[in-house]
Amino acid sequence: AQTVTQSQPEMSVQEAETVTLSCTYDTSESDYYLFWYKQPPSRQMILVIRQEAYKQQNATENRFSVNFQKAAKSFSLKISDSQLGDAAMYFCAYRYNQGGKLIFGQGTELSVKP
Amino acid sequence: GAVVSQHPSWVICKSGTSVKIECRSLDFQATTMFWYRQFPKQSLMLMATSNEGSKATYEQGVEKDKFLINHASLTLSTLTVTSAHPEDSSFYICSAAERETILTDTQYFGPGTRLTVL
Repeated sequence: AQTVTQSQPEMSVQEAETVTLSCTYDTSESDYYLFWYKQPPSRQMILVIRQEAYKQQNATENRFSVNFQKAAKSFSLKISDSQLGDAAMYFCAYRYNQGGKLIFGQGTELSVKP
Repeated sequence: GAVVSQHPSWVICKSGTSVKIECRSLDFQATTMFWYRQFPKQSLMLMATSNEGSKATYEQGVEKDKFLINHASLTLSTLTVTSAHPEDSSFYICSAAERETILTDTQYFGPGTRLTVL
């Protein structure tokens, strides 16, 4: 069965600094999607970034980028120039190519210090 | 982007009563909707997948007779918690996807419903 593991329950970063959130997953599939979602205190899930497994190039969205290591089954999120509004719970997720089910990691709570 | 709404956003009910939560896709046709449950400080756990016009597929361990899911139209799915008990208190989140893009596109999440059973 596919699993997603986030080994950092909590992380902290100074405003304007860079932080990296870790995520590993386990799958026997070769074609899948990986996502990072942000859940602020409002609890609305917000898509931060996504990566198609067949693409070697790491996805980037403004201050957010990923380091996708397919062989190592690793998918970390780097947040550059951290802002106070980045404080939230971050979830890594894996999606089957069949059926669209999302499997979430345990989450990492990120705090940003002014 | 596509918008998914949930109603109500917060509901308090007495033990033994049933509660219905609605999930609507406002500007697209959602052929598939997903229902998640989230306890405080925990991750989202998929409860079931519902496809328009067919029976929902429940995840292992989820009681289908307790959590009734109906996906009667392309824009509406409902989750009914029957005979609710305090242990059913949780945050319930739905997400929706279009048939054509379910394997390639993003799922859109609703804002969630907080259920408190007294």
